[in-house]
Amino acid sequence: EDQVTQSPEALRLQEGESSSLNCSYTVSGLRGLFWYRQDPGKGPEFLFTLYSAGEEKEKERLKATLTKKESFLHITAPKPEDSATYLCAGGKAAGNKLTFGGGTRVLVKP
Amino acid sequence: NAGVTQTPKFQVLKTGQSMTLQCAQDMNHNSMYWYRQDPGMGLRLIYYSASEGTTDKGEVPNGYNVSRLNKREFSLRLESAAPSQTSVYFCASSAYLMTATNYGYTFGSGTRLTVV
Repeated sequence: EDQVTQSPEALRLQEGESSSLNCSYTVSGLRGLFWYRQDPGKGPEFLFTLYSAGEEKEKERLKATLTKKESFLHITAPKPEDSATYLCAGGKAAGNKLTFGGGTRVLVKP
Repeated sequence: NAGVTQTPKFQVLKTGQSMTLQCAQDMNHNSMYWYRQDPGMGLRLIYYSASEGTTDKGEVPNGYNVSRLNKREFSLRLESAAPSQTSVYFCASSAYLMTATNYGYTFGSGTRLTVV
């Protein structure tokens, strides 16, 4: 059974305090690892797709990395506007289906 | 840019009532999906349509039916609503090939459904 697990469930940071979110996965036939940001009351917003171990992608203060078993989302010098729930998902080519983790709620205090 | 549009945004149903959630996308995507999101359970796939004319069950299909009306529209129907179907429902769409550059789902803003 495909499984995606995120840790920690919640993270409280001071503004400027860098940290990392973990996403471990067991998805047979994985074709891509995806990161999304979700704000309260809204749908998830696409951030990154990683396709192969060793790949890295960056967007502003966020950097996503991928190994054969897990992915990390690094938040460098976060600002309060980075507060959100971050979701990762493993994707299979068959049907383009994504299996989502439970998310990490990030709160950045000024 | 409308992206993925879901209607309604909020709905309260009585147990046993039926309703259809509507979803439309204007990005010329081939694939469309319905997810539900519950506290502590994350996003779970209900049904998906990899391309126009096909639909398949996801992880939690019981109590739901879907129709891929055309390339743009994918509806989700609850035939006899139950309190366990209280949830936030998200529709999403994507390009057909996962290896396409910057491939990713585009989600709608959700339908918040309460069944009493």
